[in-house]
Amino acid sequence: QVQLVESGGGVVQPGRSLRLSCAASGFTFSNYPMNWVRQTPGKGLEWVAVISYDGSNGYYADSVKGRFTISRDNSKNTMYLQMNSLRTEDTAVFYCTRDREAGRYYYGSGYGMDVWGQGTTVTVSS
Amino acid sequence: EIVLTQSPGTLSLSPGERATLSCRASQTVSSRYFAWYQQKPGQAPRLLIYDASSRATGIPDRFSGSGSGTDFTLTISRLEPEDFAVYYCQQYGSSRYTFGQGTKVDIK
Repeated sequence: QVQLVESGGGVVQPGRSLRLSCAASGFTFSNYPMNWVRQTPGKGLEWVAVISYDGSNGYYADSVKGRFTISRDNSKNTMYLQMNSLRTEDTAVFYCTRDREAGRYYYGSGYGMDVWGQGTTVTVSS
Repeated sequence: EIVLTQSPGTLSLSPGERATLSCRASQTVSSRYFAWYQQKPGQAPRLLIYDASSRATGIPDRFSGSGSGTDFTLTISRLEPEDFAVYYCQQYGSSRYTFGQGTKVDIK
C-alpha cells in the first residue's frame, strides 16, 4: 500500500526551528521527486519545496527560500523539511506529496502529485 | 510566478446536476503541467485530473478536464453526494507548482 506519513509538527515560538519528516512506504521512494505543500485557511494550498529523486536538487517557494531546507535519505525512505526562523505566517498543515511521474527529474516532474500524506500541523505562536 | 484564478468561489448545486468549474492562468500554461484536485473536510487533497484532461487512477468518468493556454475547465457531469467538496487547480512552471484558491461545490 502506497503511503506517506508526516511527523514532527507542533507548537513553536517565532524565530525558532522545527524539522518535519515524511516516511514513505509501498513504492520505490528513490525514483520519485517529492514535495512539501502547506495549507492555511486564509491562503489555501501553497507549494513549499520540491526535491529531486536523488536529493541533489531542491527548489523553494519565495516565501520560504533561505529559511527552509528540503532533504531526503533514500536509504531510510524518508524526506525532511528543516524550518528555521519560523514566522507566525508559517502556521499551517504541512503535507508531503509524491510527484506522479518517476524518473530522473531534477526539478520535479510537474505532472501532478498523486500521493499525499495525512498532514502534520505546525503552529508558530508566542 | 503564474497566478491561477478559480471561479466561481462557491457553486451551489443539487445532486444529479452538472458542475462546471473554471481556472484561468495569468500566463500560458502547458497542458502537460496542469492538474485538478478534490479535497473533502479533514482530508488531504486527491489528484483527479492530470495533463489537463487525463483522469487519475480510480477517478470516475463523470469527472472530465479540458482547456489549454490560459483557460481550463473541470466538469462533473452528474453530481453524486460524495462530490460535494473543494476543488483546486494547479500548474507547474519554472521548477515550481502554484495552486488556485479553490472552488467549493456545496449542496443547494
